[in-house]
Amino acid sequence: GNSVTQMEGPVTLSEEAFLTINCTYTATGYPSLFWYVQYPGEGLQLLLKATKADDKGSNKGFEATYRKETTSFHLEKGSVQVSDSAVYFCALSGNNNDMRFGAGTRLTVKP
Amino acid sequence: NAGVTQTPKFHILKIGQSMTLQCTQDMNHNYMYWYRQDPGMGLKLIYYSVGAGITDKGEVPNGYNVSRSTTEDFPLRLELAAPSQTSVYFCASSLGQGRAKNIQYFGAGTRLSVL
Repeated sequence: GNSVTQMEGPVTLSEEAFLTINCTYTATGYPSLFWYVQYPGEGLQLLLKATKADDKGSNKGFEATYRKETTSFHLEKGSVQVSDSAVYFCALSGNNNDMRFGAGTRLTVKP
Repeated sequence: NAGVTQTPKFHILKIGQSMTLQCTQDMNHNYMYWYRQDPGMGLKLIYYSVGAGITDKGEVPNGYNVSRSTTEDFPLRLELAAPSQTSVYFCASSLGQGRAKNIQYFGAGTRLSVL
């Protein structure tokens, strides 16, 4: 079945550092891929999405490119801020609309 | 914009008790979902619904029940609560299927402890 594997955390970075959180997936067909973010005490919010191969999703300085050849959707940001501290979830939605989430990666950004 | 609203935010339940977690959405979404999130784990789908009167099991349905009598509401019922049901529960909704409609919107969660 469909599944998502993402980089284990926690990840601790200094402000303005470069961020990469790895995500790979296994799926049949042509899934949509997502990154969700969860701030402390809140539900998940959509950060960005990509619906087909080579699409790049972007939002708030974060980017991820749908790479079918490597079945990956890595999240990147060039310069993180303290306010980016959160848990990040990679997810995919298959042909029957079932959403599969990765285990989440906790990011802490220190001033 | 209210979006997806869950109540209560926190609750402590005794083993063997029952309770209902409430979820309502005001976006006229057809699809609704219940997930549980255990520490250090991703979200696991408990039940979902594709419209009023239609529900189906997800990955981890045992010990739970749902109903969907209206488009807006999707309550989750725990019968005979067990410590293994201690978790954070999230309700979500989406417009429907397909690439333009499958973004899920989440409530703030219900943190449940069974002691």
